Amino acid sequence: RKEVEQDPGPFNVPEGATVAFNCTYSNSASQSFFWYRQDCRKEPKLLMSVYSSGNEDGRFTAQLNRASQYISLLIRDSKLSDSATYLCVVYTGNMLTFGGGTRLMVKP
Amino acid sequence: DADVTQTPRNRITKTGKRIMLECSQTKGHDRMYWYRQDPGLGLRLIYYSFDVKDINKGEISDGYSVSRQAQAKFSLSLESAIPNQTALYFCATSDASGSWYEQFFGPGTRLTVL
Repeated sequence: RKEVEQDPGPFNVPEGATVAFNCTYSNSASQSFFWYRQDCRKEPKLLMSVYSSGNEDGRFTAQLNRASQYISLLIRDSKLSDSATYLCVVYTGNMLTFGGGTRLMVKP
Repeated sequence: DADVTQTPRNRITKTGKRIMLECSQTKGHDRMYWYRQDPGLGLRLIYYSFDVKDINKGEISDGYSVSRQAQAKFSLSLESAIPNQTALYFCATSDASGSWYEQFFGPGTRLTVL
């Protein structure tokens, strides 16, 4: 079983839609959680951290459920520029472990 | 100028050849990492270094070696390249304090082993 699992997608949504991605992780000792964004053929970049209390940054909301070992990312009012792959990332020990990514395509 | 640079950006080589991928950074970070990315598998950690005298194996170190020549330089070597090492390789850095969890990635090296 992969340590961090994501639905690879693609999620095809129209502009203005709300879309949600989920991620599950297997190691209950994992300490911190993040979402990174990776544009096509580019390097990953940190999007936001994920807290149990929820974390909101503009149109993006991230949530953590430790009991279910589940992380979510909600994007409201999708823009064309949101098209990318979203990587769920878990910090355990000294290392970040990356999920395989969920691809989002926002259409006009 | 980019804060994290990788050379070469693209490389095609043959099975059995020795290859070195280089990474340099101007961010002043102590921590440096090498990852490979394969479709559907995400990024997997090969080696990481928390300072010049510290080298650690990651999830998939077999077939690879590294050298931390200076705080700003971290090289990855494939001693005898094989086709299943064909992948996109990323170098990354992070600060030991502050936003330690934010890793800054180089642009990647696309390696093809024939």
